[in-house]
Amino acid sequence: QQPVQSPQAVILREGEDAVINCSSSKALYSVHWYRQKHGEAPVFLMILLKGGEQKGHDKISASFNEKKQQSSLYLTASQLSYSGTYFCGTENIRGSGNTGKLIFGQGTTLQVKP
Amino acid sequence: DTAVSQTPKYLVTQMGNDKSIKCEQNLGHDTMYWYKQDSKKFLKIMFSYNNKELIINETVPNRFSPKSPDKAHLNLHINSLELGDSAVYFCASSQGALAGAEEQFFGPGTRLTVL
Repeated sequence: QQPVQSPQAVILREGEDAVINCSSSKALYSVHWYRQKHGEAPVFLMILLKGGEQKGHDKISASFNEKKQQSSLYLTASQLSYSGTYFCGTENIRGSGNTGKLIFGQGTTLQVKP
Repeated sequence: DTAVSQTPKYLVTQMGNDKSIKCEQNLGHDTMYWYKQDSKKFLKIMFSYNNKELIINETVPNRFSPKSPDKAHLNLHINSLELGDSAVYFCASSQGALAGAEEQFFGPGTRLTVL
C-alpha cells in the first residue's frame, strides 16, 4: 500500500539534473511531493491531481501518469539548497478505503555537492 | 507568525510514563493530523481531525489518545510509554478534509525519546 520511491539516494554536483520516481500498486487520486531537510519539518512542493498533469516550481517540476499509477519529480540544474529527503505522498482513488489519507513513500535522499 | 506550532520540541522520558504533546495552528484550517516519523524516516499517519471530529484513526495502540478541544488545537496524549514510541511526532494541518487534494502544513516536530 505504501508507494515505492526510487532511487533511495542520489548524489549530484551543482547544476546536474535528477529524477525521483514514485510508484503505487493502487489507483491514485492524487500525488503530493514534500521536501524535508535534516532536523526540520516536511515542506510542501506540489500536488498533482489529474492524470497526465504536470506542474512546475522554479526548476522543480513533476508529472503524474494516472494509468501507470506513478509520478516523477524532476530537479533541473540542481542547487545546494535542493539537498534533503524527498517524499511522495499518495491518496488512493476514493472508494478504495483510503479516502482522506496520505500514504508516504520511504523517501529519497538527495545530496547536492559544490 | 508560526503557522503550526508544537510543544515541546524535545521530550525525554522513562518507560512507563505518560506524556502529552500539544499542537496549535493559526491558519484557520479545518483539519489537523498527527504523523509519526521513525528512525528510518518513515512518515506515517496516525490520526486526523476535521472540525474537532475524528476522521482517521490508523492502527495505533490505544495508549495513544488524541484530543481536539477546538479546530485550532490537536493534542496527543501517550500512556505507558514504550521504547518503540521513540520517534519524531509531527502535527500538520490542511484547509479542508480532503487530505489528498490539499497542501499540508507541518509543525516543527517533537522528538520523543523513551529511555
